Amino acid sequence: NAGVTQTPKFQVLKTGQSMTLQCAQDMNHNSMYWYRQDPGMGLRLIYYSASEGTTDKGEVPNGYNVSRLNKREFSLRLESAAPSQTSVYFCAAKGTGGLYGYTFGSGTRLTVV
Amino acid sequence: AQSVTQLGSHVSVSEGALVLLRCNYSSSVPPYLFWYVQYPNQGLQLLLKYTTGATLVKGINGFEAEFKKSETSFHLTKPSAHMSDAAEYFCAVSLRIDFGGYNKLIFGAGTRLAVHP
Repeated sequence: NAGVTQTPKFQVLKTGQSMTLQCAQDMNHNSMYWYRQDPGMGLRLIYYSASEGTTDKGEVPNGYNVSRLNKREFSLRLESAAPSQTSVYFCAAKGTGGLYGYTFGSGTRLTVV
Repeated sequence: AQSVTQLGSHVSVSEGALVLLRCNYSSSVPPYLFWYVQYPNQGLQLLLKYTTGATLVKGINGFEAEFKKSETSFHLTKPSAHMSDAAEYFCAVSLRIDFGGYNKLIFGAGTRLAVHP
């Protein structure tokens, strides 16, 4: 009963490096989301995928790209990391319909130096 | 567009005292409203949600919230605080789509609750 699994849990990057944050869910949910959490700003939506094969921008998409590889996996890529992207990143998944809530992963703490 | 304002970034209460965390929302249509809790170094956990029906919603761990349309508020309360309630709490709003479903959540900035003996 893993729910939503994020890898890695911690990462330090140098400015300009690239990396991909991985997210996988085992609940067969249609919708998946990437948020970043910064002190005093709550969680802000980066990108989301309402269903397999679709992706849409959220509030803060600049500097990021996403791939919905299949129904289970939704990855977030930083092509050229910047210090402003230092944050905690959360992936979430949600089933279709009002009865379902979001299930969040445990987060990836990213530091860009 | 929807938005959420949480009044007070930090709230401190004594163990056994009333907990009141304030949330006001802005939405052009009737929203869905949520409260989430985050314990240190963990993801977010759903406390409760309002979709339709009864405006007083009961959640886990003794928390409840009341949807007040006239005040555009969804404040979170608990009659008696426990030390284990110390955490960060987030209010969130979403719009209904597709036969009662909902999509992206918009979060408030969060309120950190401290509980002291």
